[in-house]
Amino acid sequence: GQQLNQSPQSMFIQEGEDVSMNCTSSSIFNTWLWYKQDPGEGPVLLIALYKAGELTSNGRLTAQFGITRKDSFLNISASIPSDVGIYFCAGLEGGGSQGNLIFGKGTKLSVKP
Amino acid sequence: GAGVSQTPSNKVTEKGKYVELRCDPISGHTALYWYRQSLGQGPEFLIYFQGTGAADDSGLPNDRFFAVRPEGSVSTLKIQRTERGDSAVYLCASSSTRGDTQYFGPGTRLTVL
Repeated sequence: GQQLNQSPQSMFIQEGEDVSMNCTSSSIFNTWLWYKQDPGEGPVLLIALYKAGELTSNGRLTAQFGITRKDSFLNISASIPSDVGIYFCAGLEGGGSQGNLIFGKGTKLSVKP
Repeated sequence: GAGVSQTPSNKVTEKGKYVELRCDPISGHTALYWYRQSLGQGPEFLIYFQGTGAADDSGLPNDRFFAVRPEGSVSTLKIQRTERGDSAVYLCASSSTRGDTQYFGPGTRLTVL
């Protein structure tokens, strides 16, 4: 099925460093979402983006909705150990499949204290 | 308030057996989704319910998979004649209505031996 291309696949960083990850698609999405998943848990929504070009922050997290509506990035500033986890981008389908989420493969973040 | 709950948290079965996975959505949420997450992958859409009816089952991989939501609340995902390739985490999500923020349960980890 349709998938988003998410990179990098994994990151190993030092506590306090900034992190950047991105997501691209061959299809247009009208809504982009970023989720975080901890081991044994379901994904938890971090940021939702609804308009092309939109830049939205949630604490140390900042995400942007690409102007072409085919890409998005997520930045985490001043990383801390609890940022460890897998980050997924997701596009919200429209039309007849409205409401269905298409996920990337995830970026696994490891933070060294 | 209570989030989405899923039972069992883990299920181990033998190839060829029948399994049922249960999802309890957030109270009052009319939209319910099932996703499947294979190791190292993002969740993939299976089926969506609006109320009692399966409005979109385009993600079900084959006719061994079936889901019901008879009273518009709890949903059960049923897998017949399980195969080793069915091993995955099965996630349930609910939203107040289609297109709204989806809240995920912790998932059921299915292992088919």
